Amino acid sequence: GAVVSQHPSRVICKSGTSVKIECRSLDFQATTMFWYRQFPKQSLMLMATSNEGSKATYEQGVEKDKFLINHASLTLSTLTVTSAHPEDSSFYICSALLSSYNEQFFGPGTRLTVL
Amino acid sequence: GENVEQHPSTLSVQEGDSAVIKCTYSDSASNYFPWYKQELGKRPQLIIDIRSNVGEKKDQRIAVTLNKTAKHFSLHITETQPEDSAVYFCAAIDNQGGKLIFGQGTELSVKP
Repeated sequence: GAVVSQHPSRVICKSGTSVKIECRSLDFQATTMFWYRQFPKQSLMLMATSNEGSKATYEQGVEKDKFLINHASLTLSTLTVTSAHPEDSSFYICSALLSSYNEQFFGPGTRLTVL
Repeated sequence: GENVEQHPSTLSVQEGDSAVIKCTYSDSASNYFPWYKQELGKRPQLIIDIRSNVGEKKDQRIAVTLNKTAKHFSLHITETQPEDSAVYFCAAIDNQGGKLIFGQGTELSVKP
């Protein structure tokens, strides 16, 4: 099956620092990837759609200057949380779209804790 | 855009009983409805999905039904086992860009 990796799996940082999260499709090419955020006991909320070679499309209420998304290749999208604050602490999950099946495959998630 | 409502938020059943989780969606153009199982701290795992050209799909103890007219779909788990305990999410594809829109989730607890 299609495999998506995410790195790091867990990160703890100080308030004000920036954190980069990588999402990779390991055995297929993904022109479209998605970034979600999940707070404890809540659903997955879509943050943005990442398209290879073009600007990401952000959902309403998501600050594009705070959550920088780069999708420079067909197998890699990155999410950078800039000037992180404690309220940014969450579980961040990416997914990659396998176009031929119109199915999304999820990465294992990144637990971000901002102190 | 698409909006997905899911209920119940929590469900407790005895081992061996059946569990049913229901979702409604708003966009009649949506055509793909997956169900995910998520264990604590893990990624969502696709357990079954249904496309709008069929009304029912079954995979061993799991089945999904779709009523396009009423815009609702349901997950049915029969002969539940303790390892079925997890949070289950329904979702629908938003036809504007292929975004997955998730329901609120159902925490299923199967008591031995």
